[in-house]
Amino acid sequence: AQSVTQLDSQVPVFEEAPVELRCNYSSSVSVYLFWYVQYPNQGLQLLLKYLSGSTLVESINGFEAEFNKSQTSFHLRKPSVHISDTAEYFCAVSDQSSNTGKLIFGQGTTLQVKP
Amino acid sequence: GAGVSQSPSNKVTEKGKDVELRCDPISGHTALYWYRQSLGQGLEFLIYFQGNSAPDKSGLPSDRFSAERTGGSVSTLTIQRTQQEDSAVYLCASSLVAGDMYEQYFGPGTRLTVT
Repeated sequence: AQSVTQLDSQVPVFEEAPVELRCNYSSSVSVYLFWYVQYPNQGLQLLLKYLSGSTLVESINGFEAEFNKSQTSFHLRKPSVHISDTAEYFCAVSDQSSNTGKLIFGQGTTLQVKP
Repeated sequence: GAGVSQSPSNKVTEKGKDVELRCDPISGHTALYWYRQSLGQGLEFLIYFQGNSAPDKSGLPSDRFSAERTGGSVSTLTIQRTQQEDSAVYLCASSLVAGDMYEQYFGPGTRLTVT
């Protein structure tokens, strides 16, 4: 079985400051890793994912996440946030061997960007 | 094109009543997933369908929950004898095929309140 822990339920940060949203996972099997974002009054959207290859993955809006196998982490970072990044962010894993797409989510982190 | 749609957007029901939640996936998507987003449990996988294969029901919390997918398209999640702990946002997602390589597209959700 897999589980995902997002260590911070809320992260307040000022605009243009850097941010890191933490994600750790526990699994007895190899996993794929995902970050989803839910903007206010919108549905969940895929932000980025790690399936294989380079352990550093990037999104089109400046976020990046690095897969660290030894630390079982997949922290999300952005060097300079905007007001529009205010949203809830979910880390998720799926079992590589089953390849069903079934996602196990963390509890979510609310990123609140202040002007 | 049209995204995943869900109906109703909000549902208030009395404890003990049955409810049906509907999901219309993106046309051509063969995989369909149901998740539940609640305050106490975060985002949980419930069930998924891939084509005409038997669904994976491993996430359903009790036998009061069931789901079907007719004609490989529309899906209905049914909760019998609703309880207050069933109050949550029920999310549906679809993907081209079941698998981690394929992005899941989420609907806006149905907010269920059991009084």
